[in-house]
Amino acid sequence: GENVEQHPSTLSVQEGDSAVIKCTYSDSASNYFPWYKQELGKRPQLIIDIRSNVGEKKDQRIAVTLNKTAKHFSLHITETQPEDSAVYFCAADRGTGRRALTFGSGTRLQVQP
Amino acid sequence: ETGVTQSPTHLIKTRGQQVTLRCSSQSGHNTVSWYQQALGQGPQFIFQYYREEENGRGNFPPRFSGLQFPNYSSELNVNALELDDSALYLCASSLTGDGEKLFFGSGTQLSVL
Repeated sequence: GENVEQHPSTLSVQEGDSAVIKCTYSDSASNYFPWYKQELGKRPQLIIDIRSNVGEKKDQRIAVTLNKTAKHFSLHITETQPEDSAVYFCAADRGTGRRALTFGSGTRLQVQP
Repeated sequence: ETGVTQSPTHLIKTRGQQVTLRCSSQSGHNTVSWYQQALGQGPQFIFQYYREEENGRGNFPPRFSGLQFPNYSSELNVNALELDDSALYLCASSLTGDGEKLFFGSGTQLSVL
């Protein structure tokens, strides 16, 4: 089955700096890669996703890049703000008629004001 | 548009008991998935329901079972509870055939004593 590894487990940045979280996946058939943000005690929220037919996607301060050959994808947050502090999860899925995400272990991002 | 709602929010059970968790999908969504999130880890896929039938299952024993109703709401049943079943149980809904972005509920925190 699919295995997703996520690094780093914790990340501390100063407000205004950029943050990068990296994930690798094992199943070359995976073609859908979402990122979720989970604040303490709250639901995981989809913040951005990318499919295997594109290499990069941006949404304001957030971008995701995908390297299918190396089987890794990354989340980039620019101009970080204290409200970006949360746990971020990457995930991967084959997308074959159903959605069964395999999640990474999470990255706790802390943005210092 | 209403989001995914789950009940109850918290539950305490003893080992060997049975539990039923409930989920109402987001308006317009026809597919429901259940995930187990242990403390400090990413969610793990339990199973998905589409058209009232199980449509994929993760690595969970048969004592984890589910139902989907005609209104697309769903139940997760766990029999013979074990201490390791203590976790946050997340329900996610999606619209099959529409890119299948998953939207999560806030979860039910289950503690098994």
